[in-house]
Amino acid sequence: GESVGLHLPTLSVQEGDNSIINCAYSNSASDYFIWYKQESGKGPQFIIDIRSNMDKRQGQRVTVLLNKTVKHLSLQIAATQPGDSAVYFCAENSNNNDMRFGAGTRLTVKP
Amino acid sequence: DSGVTQTPKHLITATGQRVTLRCSPRSGDLSVYWYQQSLDQGLQFLIQYYNGEERAKGNILERFSAQQFPDLHSELNLSSLELGDSALYFCASSTTGGASGNTIYFGEGSWLTVV
Repeated sequence: GESVGLHLPTLSVQEGDNSIINCAYSNSASDYFIWYKQESGKGPQFIIDIRSNMDKRQGQRVTVLLNKTVKHLSLQIAATQPGDSAVYFCAENSNNNDMRFGAGTRLTVKP
Repeated sequence: DSGVTQTPKHLITATGQRVTLRCSPRSGDLSVYWYQQSLDQGLQFLIQYYNGEERAKGNILERFSAQQFPDLHSELNLSSLELGDSALYFCASSTTGGASGNTIYFGEGSWLTVV
């Protein structure tokens, strides 16, 4: 069936470097995408979203890129900090009201 | 703080028992969602309610049920519990239950341990 998935389950980066977390989706009807950050023992926290009529959106230190041609989504974190260590989930949504989440990527920031 | 409140935060119970998890959505949100997250697993969508009515159903077992009350809080009932039901159960809420573009905000979760 349709699914959302992540290319890499773990990512380790040096503090200060940029991080890129990738996500693939297969539902061509998806038109809204969200990245969530989940710290240990906490609920997922909204980071940034993007609609399918855009291919790039920037927030504070984060950028989401959407490539609808290859159904690929990425989250870029600039100047990664120890506080960015968490599991990052992409999620996609379409008019069926069912927001589906990827498996998650664990980001570890080394000091 | 997302504004979504879940209770209890932790719960330990025996196999075969029944528990109820409670969720209060953000002020003004009409839609409530329930998700299950097992250890090192992704978020599995269980069910969604909008303004008291069931809106969407995911991978929810028949032993599980939920409802949304007139004051918009929701309860997730888990019965005949099995060891495999041990997980984090998240409630989330959103303003509407309708079309795409509906950002949902999560509570801190209820840790259920079945022994």
